[in-house]
Amino acid sequence: GAGVSQSPSNKVTEKGKDVELRCDPISGHTALYWYRQRLGQGLEFLIYFQGNSAPDKSGLPSDRFSAERTGESVSTLTIQRTQQEDSAVYLCASSSIAGGHTDTQYFGPGTRLTVL
Amino acid sequence: GQSLEQPSEVTAVEGAIVQINCTYQTSGFYGLSWYQQHDGGAPTFLSYNALDGLEETGRFSSFLSRSDSYGYLLLQELQMKDSASYFCAVSRVNRDDKIIFGKGTRLHILP
Repeated sequence: GAGVSQSPSNKVTEKGKDVELRCDPISGHTALYWYRQRLGQGLEFLIYFQGNSAPDKSGLPSDRFSAERTGESVSTLTIQRTQQEDSAVYLCASSSIAGGHTDTQYFGPGTRLTVL
Repeated sequence: GQSLEQPSEVTAVEGAIVQINCTYQTSGFYGLSWYQQHDGGAPTFLSYNALDGLEETGRFSSFLSRSDSYGYLLLQELQMKDSASYFCAVSRVNRDDKIIFGKGTRLHILP
């Protein structure tokens, strides 16, 4: 497919368990973003990858959250020892920094995480 | 710090015109974007302004005043399907050109 894909679409887990969320960006997009969106709330920036630069982790809420990206491809967001407050939709977006109108972010469908 | 301010909710009548404002305070500014998000859906891009003035795309227009750190999204001939949340977002020129989103404006449309 040509769009951003995320998996799983839904994840239900028990408090204290670890979860791993996956994002496949649009091919060729150098920038990748993770956001968290709680029900009825805005987008909360988590982490940003741009090419081979060190990621901007300034939005990660705690050290239980981490993310990796291999080159300019797949990214995984890991949440360790999940808490009920982590329940939210986790959105991934990618964009191409290639000149012109470069700032459009293309969002994936999100992963809805429910921590029981 | 970085901040974008937009109203949390706006209500308008079908067929009318509505304006959603966004003011920003960021370290650096490159452009202002607008995104639409329907309930349960992912945000989708609507418009982008890098220069002062009005950009028109069909029923939607977006305006930017860099000197006032202000922009707005104008929706004309409102339709029920326009009921959604609308986010403004600032692109900054810095090491990473990271984009910052506002908290969103929920638009309610009455028949």
